[in-house]
Amino acid sequence: EAQVTQNPRYLITVTGKKLTVTCSQNMNHEYMSWYRQDPGLGLRQIYYSMNVEVTDKGDVPEGYKVSRKEKRNFPLILESPSPNQTSLYFCASSLSMLASDTQYFGPGTRLTVL
Amino acid sequence: GQQLNQSPQSMFIQEGEDVSMNCTSSSIFNTWLWYKQDPGEGPVLLIALYKAGELTSNGRLTAQFGITRKDSFLNISASIPSDVGIYFCAGENAGGTSYGKLTFGQGTILTVHP
Repeated sequence: EAQVTQNPRYLITVTGKKLTVTCSQNMNHEYMSWYRQDPGLGLRQIYYSMNVEVTDKGDVPEGYKVSRKEKRNFPLILESPSPNQTSLYFCASSLSMLASDTQYFGPGTRLTVL
Repeated sequence: GQQLNQSPQSMFIQEGEDVSMNCTSSSIFNTWLWYKQDPGEGPVLLIALYKAGELTSNGRLTAQFGITRKDSFLNISASIPSDVGIYFCAGENAGGTSYGKLTFGQGTILTVHP
């Protein structure tokens, strides 16, 4: 089954404790992206990757890192999480970054930083 | 970054009623997309629009790409309880450094009472 998977689905952590949210897709997509969803703000792009070893900042990249060592994986790293990073995070992938290529979203990771 | 103004923010309707929501932008878009997010899941693409004036239907859903390329609307006819969720518009900016990048609206929360 074609899908985007994220782990963990839920995470409660404390300020400053490094964490990684994994994202994996099995559709051989080149383009992958991370978004955060906050009430009243919709989805905002954090980082995106057009292909292996090619990543770039989205609209809200501060406090986040990403890597794209393999085509299927695109982990999101929070080196020193802070409470303002409490949010619902979505990974997405598509064939390319063109809007005409459908983006498929993962199920989401709800992160709480205390 | 770019922002889309999506309205209304929320709607409470009776089953069988029609629903209308829209998105506006201060800048021109090449593509308009409409997504639905079911509770606890990631957004799923409903309709994609690629040309100014385009009117596209998907079952009970109809969406239009505004003539000015700065707005789009989504209509749902004869709503049913499973229409409940958050609806997002998204646009792809026309040219410049934002080519291929999606900007999302704030979302419309739809509640349907049986």
